Amino acid sequence: QKEVEQDPGPLSVPEGAIVSLNCTYSNSAFQYFMWYRQYSRKGPELLMYTYSSGNKEDGRFTAQVDKSSKYISLFIRDSQPSDSATYLCAMSSTGNQFYFGTGTSLTVIP
Amino acid sequence: GAVVSQHPSWVICKSGTSVKIECRSLDFQATTMFWYRQFPKQSLMLMATSNEGSKATYEQGVEKDKFLINHASLTLSTLTVTSAHPEDSSFYICSATRQGAIRYEQYFGPGTRLTVT
Repeated sequence: QKEVEQDPGPLSVPEGAIVSLNCTYSNSAFQYFMWYRQYSRKGPELLMYTYSSGNKEDGRFTAQVDKSSKYISLFIRDSQPSDSATYLCAMSSTGNQFYFGTGTSLTVIP
Repeated sequence: GAVVSQHPSWVICKSGTSVKIECRSLDFQATTMFWYRQFPKQSLMLMATSNEGSKATYEQGVEKDKFLINHASLTLSTLTVTSAHPEDSSFYICSATRQGAIRYEQYFGPGTRLTVT
């Protein structure tokens, strides 16, 4: 079983839609949870991080962690064409070693 | 701030030759740099962790004699792919953590696409 599972998509939504991206994991020791955005042929860019359970909001982005279900989500409100990218979840137990999902490819159609 | 650069961004080499990839933190000192490789539609795979002035720590299954990592200063780490083969063709990405920062704050470089013919 992979440490982190993420549906690769692709996901296609109309501009203005709410996007929900998800990852599940198996290691209950994970306590640092991150979402990265990666544009084509570029390195990942850190979007959100959350420690332990709960929600975190930053502008149009909301990250949620449910440790009891080993499930994390990233919501994007009022999606824009510029949000079209691959979104990677990542997690860690100690902050030293990170486990990445395969990434979900998102296209926001104008 | 927190910009990481990589050079070259794209390289083609012949099988059997060596290729060096540079990773630089441009506006901060990086205590730790990480090297990843990424195949199309696959996750980032950590290859090694590099600390300034010490030997790199390689992940299981990564040949340290093939992927030579040098972290000579707080702003520069290099990855040398020795005796490259077509199966080494991949997207190589480095990341760096800023000195004093929380370790999950990794800043990624733009990546280097290596094609071995």
